[in-house]
Amino acid sequence: AQSVTQLGSHVSVSEGALVLLRCNYSSSVPPYLFWYVQYPNQGLQLLLKYTSAATLVKGINGFEAEFKKSETSFHLTKPSAHMSDAAEYFCAVSESVTSYDKVIFGPGTSLSVIP
Amino acid sequence: SAVISQKPSRDICQRGTSLTIQCQVDSQVTMMFWYRQQPGQSLTLIATANQGSEATYESGFVIDKFPISRPNLTFSTLTVSNMSPEDSSIYLCSVQLSSYNEQFFGPGTRLTVL
Repeated sequence: AQSVTQLGSHVSVSEGALVLLRCNYSSSVPPYLFWYVQYPNQGLQLLLKYTSAATLVKGINGFEAEFKKSETSFHLTKPSAHMSDAAEYFCAVSESVTSYDKVIFGPGTSLSVIP
Repeated sequence: SAVISQKPSRDICQRGTSLTIQCQVDSQVTMMFWYRQQPGQSLTLIATANQGSEATYESGFVIDKFPISRPNLTFSTLTVSNMSPEDSSIYLCSVQLSSYNEQFFGPGTRLTVL
């Protein structure tokens, strides 16, 4: 079964600093990978997805992620953090079942932005 | 994308009672999913609901505890039965629109069991 690990359950950055959230997956075949964001008291919103078209994926709100097969990684970055980026971030990977695909979520990383 | 609504948005329930959560989508979808997010935790898939067939439950979740209905392509319900404080969580529904497996999520139902 697929699994996702996220290094660092809590990450703090200063406003304007680089954001780096780490994600590693386990997969024997090229996966579909996702980053979701959850703002306080809200549902999940898709930030970006990797579907094998390009290794560098650009998402909403200035975020991007790079797929590195050799490292089985899909780290999320943003050049300059904004206060509004404070949220919970989940990396996820899809897994094919017999007649459908399901998404496996990582444990999440809570991002704090310090003024 | 899809617009998904859930009712209720939150509830406080007594131990031993049941709560039915509704999920409505603004377009027809084949697969709908129900997740549980316990306090401070990630999302755990409860079951997958395909219109016209029995829901498929993940390990650790059973139909008697979490019965699901899927009467049409835009609607589903999840019931949390015989609740205990351990059932206090956020329950989210999601749908899958494209062949690239991305899911769109509802706002969630925040359940507190006393």
